[in-house]
Order: sequence, then structure tokens, then C-alpha cells
Amino acid sequence: DIQMTQSPSSLSASVGDRVTITCRASQSISRYLNWYQQKPGKAPKLLIYDASSLHSGVPSRFSGSGSGSDFTLSISSLRPEDFATYYCQQSYSAPPTFGHGTKVEIK
Amino acid sequence: QVQLRESGPGLVKPSETLSLTCSVSAGSIRSGTYSWTWIRQPAGKALEYIGRIYTSGETNYNPSLKSRVSITADTSKNQISLKLSSVTAADTAVYFCARDRDHSYMDVWGNGTTVTVSS
Repeated sequence: DIQMTQSPSSLSASVGDRVTITCRASQSISRYLNWYQQKPGKAPKLLIYDASSLHSGVPSRFSGSGSGSDFTLSISSLRPEDFATYYCQQSYSAPPTFGHGTKVEIK
Repeated sequence: QVQLRESGPGLVKPSETLSLTCSVSAGSIRSGTYSWTWIRQPAGKALEYIGRIYTSGETNYNPSLKSRVSITADTSKNQISLKLSSVTAADTAVYFCARDRDHSYMDVWGNGTTVTVSS
């Protein structure tokens, strides 16, 4: 299975900050990388698919980049509703695998 | 807008079989380039892929669970079912079903259902 490593595991930030989360795959996965946001007690929500494509309805302050084995999720200006846990997921090969998550907390 | 809803017993005894259903509304499970996926998440932990079923009826399972998992589709009821046998406490988790678009990303999720394995 392809291992997905996210960093940091958690971060503290203020409203208005720019936040960057990284995800590294244990092998090249081309651009088959997706990002999800999950709030406590809720299901994950798709933010970004295929490394950089913004899912319908997702605010443009979210962006994704990368290819091969290194990827980033950026939030240009953090809003109160963005405090959540973020997961990356590879869809290059079965089984699809997820990172362990990055929790974005309020500073 | 397609909606998914998981249902099933919230408590299962060790060594028994966990059975869950995902009901799909406002869309057919046979349409489009979709597959239907089960994901689980133990409390405070990461998401884990359990398996998926394609519109063809073909299935794919996580190798770590393959010997215990079965996913089926009932097109007459527009439902996807999950069975996980010989459960232990390690199978305690929130179980989600999701629509998997182009067998690549999961764009619609159910709210999840909590299953506890305990005697």
C-alpha cells in the first residue's frame, strides 16, 4: 500500500493567516491526490481533487499543488469556519490510502 | 443532489457479523462513472478504506480486511450493503459510505454511523 505522510500533525493559526499543509506519498502518485476537510462529528468534505482542482462550492481561498510524491494544501486567509482536520488521500493505486490528518486549531 | 444515509445496529458482539446499509437518494447507484465506497474511522484516528463496489458489480477490498468483508448492491432498493465478519473491538468505528467519482475521489458522503463492538 502507498503510505501518505502529512505534516504537521497539528498547527495553531489565527484568523487571516496563510496556512500550508504538506502531504508526501511513499512513491510517485502523479497527480492522483485529493484533500478533505473534516469537522468534529461530521463526515469529511472534498476540497481538492487531482492535486489542484477545486471541488464545486469550495471557496477559492483553498488551493492545492504538487505532483509526483509531494503535495501541498494552502488556505490563503484562514476563516473561523476553516478550523478543522484536513486529510490527503491518494487514488493512484488500490487500496486508496489517507494521511493521518492535520488539525488546524485556533491560536 | 445525491444523498447517502448509513444505517444498522450500533452495537455488535465480538465474533459476530457487522451489517450496515447505505441508502442512496436522488440518484441511481447504477448511473455514471461512480463506485460506492465504505470508509471507517476509529475515534480520534484517521480514515481507512474498507472497499468499494462498481456499477458493474465488481468489488475491490482493502487487503487488510479482504477475508472478512463483503460489499453488495441492491439496485431495486438503491442500496449498498457492507458485511464485516468476525468482528473485534478493533472494528469499533464510525462507518461512512461515499460516492466515489471516476474511482478517484469521494465527492458525496453519508453522515456516518457509529458501530461499537462489545459484549
